[in-house]
Amino acid sequence: KAGVTQTPRYLIKTRGQQVTLSCSPISGHRSVSWYQQTPGQGLQFLFEYFSETQRNKGNFPGRFSGRQFSNSRSEMNVSTLELGDSALYLCASSLKTLTGELFFGEGSRLTVL
Amino acid sequence: SQKIEQNSEALNIQEGKTATLTCNYTNYSPAYLQWYRQDPGRGPVFLLLIRENEKEKRKERLKVTFDTTLKQSLFHITASQPADSATYLCALGAGTASKLTFGTGTRLQVTL
Repeated sequence: KAGVTQTPRYLIKTRGQQVTLSCSPISGHRSVSWYQQTPGQGLQFLFEYFSETQRNKGNFPGRFSGRQFSNSRSEMNVSTLELGDSALYLCASSLKTLTGELFFGEGSRLTVL
Repeated sequence: SQKIEQNSEALNIQEGKTATLTCNYTNYSPAYLQWYRQDPGRGPVFLLLIRENEKEKRKERLKVTFDTTLKQSLFHITASQPADSATYLCALGAGTASKLTFGTGTRLQVTL
């Protein structure tokens, strides 16, 4: 069974640009969540999608957005990039909606110059 | 606000010994707690889940305890091996599975 796939793995952008990251969950998993990981803050929850609906949202500005498609694939978008957006963005999928383990992808490493 | 604390310092341990990692939390009433392992440049990998009404969980060489009175979880790796060297993250959840609050992790280094 294929794991969670994230693309691209690495990308470099400049301030003010926007970026779109993609995530393909494990087959059969309908819940997809996104996390931002930085050395100072650790892993922080961005948002979760289930059946194409955003179910939960973390404390991030509106520049961070996402969506989920009918095949459960998900994308997240960050507009007007800032230096502080440099981070590892991790996508995770889950089979169970309560107390289920998360299956993480390898992440997309974003560097903002 | 919710706060999760893990040993910020790296834990260095000799092969064969038991490694014990701590996770303390405040201002939180989690329904469950999870432990993940993360290797450099990789995504976290799930290890164990323990619910609020459980005191202890075991899986092979791993053992986790959960004390909701002390607001603390202990994670033990017995007979540690160099391959156990990684960062270990604790995560608390209440409600939907996907919205976890993670600690910053403890880096474990197992030497020969």
